[in-house]
Amino acid sequence: GENVEQHPSTLSVQEGDSAVIKCTYSDSASNYFPWYKQELGKRPQLIIDIRSNVGEKKDQRIAVTLNKTAKHFSLHITETQPEDSAVYFCAARTEAAGNKLTFGGGTRVLVKP
Amino acid sequence: NAGVTQTPKFQVLKTGQSMTLQCAQDMNHNSMYWYRQDPGMGLRLIYYSASEGTTDKGEVPNGYNVSRLNKREFSLRLESAAPSQTSVYFCASSDGGRDTQYFGPGTRLTVL
Repeated sequence: GENVEQHPSTLSVQEGDSAVIKCTYSDSASNYFPWYKQELGKRPQLIIDIRSNVGEKKDQRIAVTLNKTAKHFSLHITETQPEDSAVYFCAARTEAAGNKLTFGGGTRVLVKP
Repeated sequence: NAGVTQTPKFQVLKTGQSMTLQCAQDMNHNSMYWYRQDPGMGLRLIYYSASEGTTDKGEVPNGYNVSRLNKREFSLRLESAAPSQTSVYFCASSDGGRDTQYFGPGTRLTVL
């Protein structure tokens, strides 16, 4: 089945700097890649997603890039703010596997004021 | 709309006890999912239901059973709880499995 690896597991950045989280996936048939943000004690919430027919997608300070050949995708957060501190999860979905999501292990991001 | 709701929020069980975690969604979604979240392990799929009347195993189904009671409700049952099942359990739903999965607030379960 699909395997998703996420790096780094923790990331500390200064407020205003950029943060980059990288994920690799194993199944070349995966076609949908969402990113979720989970604040402490809260539920995961979708922040951005990308489909396999697109190479890059941006939403204000957040962007996601996808390299299908290399089977990796990345989350970029620019001009980080303290409220960006959270755990971020990447995921991949393969339609042939019943549209199930496989999640990475998560990245704990700390934005220092 | 309440979205996805889960009960209870917290539960403490003794080894061998049974319980059912409840999940309901009011978004008319076809697909529903149960995940467990352990520190450093991300979210792992236990069971899912692609549509009313169907259920399938996920990555970690052992020790669990599920029931898709109707389109709105999807319950997770632990027949004989074990300490290894101490975790935070999240229910999620999506529209036909093609779109965003929306998560419930979670149930924090401790098995002593």
